[in-house]
Amino acid sequence: DVKVTQSSRYLVKRTGEKVFLECVQDMDHENMFWYRQDPGLGLRLIYFSYDVKMKEKGDIPEGYSVSREKKERFSLILESASTNQTSMYLCASSPGTGGTGELFFGEGSRLTVL
Amino acid sequence: LAKTTQPISMDSYEGQEVNITCSHNNIATNDYITWYQQFPSQGPRFIIQGYKTKVTNEVASLFIPADRKSSTLSLPRVSLSDTAVYYCLVGAPMFSGGYNKLIFGAGTRLAVHP
Repeated sequence: DVKVTQSSRYLVKRTGEKVFLECVQDMDHENMFWYRQDPGLGLRLIYFSYDVKMKEKGDIPEGYSVSREKKERFSLILESASTNQTSMYLCASSPGTGGTGELFFGEGSRLTVL
Repeated sequence: LAKTTQPISMDSYEGQEVNITCSHNNIATNDYITWYQQFPSQGPRFIIQGYKTKVTNEVASLFIPADRKSSTLSLPRVSLSDTAVYYCLVGAPMFSGGYNKLIFGAGTRLAVHP
């Protein structure tokens, strides 16, 4: 089974802190994604990557950056956390070619910024 | 990008068949219709995908009329464990180096009662 592991289920940070959210997948998938989920808004795409060292902005990239130094690892970085970044963050991966394009999600990281 | 519209919430009882309809009037020729299921505190999980007519797997059926402007996810004989949020997405599967943004809306919150 595909496993997408997010490093922390729950985090509490203070405004202005730098926050790292780590995601690792074990199925050699080319594509990796970071979403945030807020009540009533569904999932919104922050960044995605279709190859090592490649990244593309999603719908809401402001205030975030990402890093993909290895194929299996995709990190989301909040350079200076703000209270409006309190949210559930979901990492996903998918194979690169063909198939259904199925997204495999991690269990999420719930971030609270005080 | 094809926008989808689905009911915000639905209620059902154990043992009943549940049909969730999604409208997608602007679906493109190369778009597929994909449904995901999300339980509380978990990431979404792929349920089923189709292009036209009917698709069935061990979990659900997906009915797509000839004009493809809508689709219906059918869950046979639901149980309490089917209580979840169901998302309808329209887009082309992502291939290496390319990307088709899949938009997760607010989904349909299904509550199954005893």
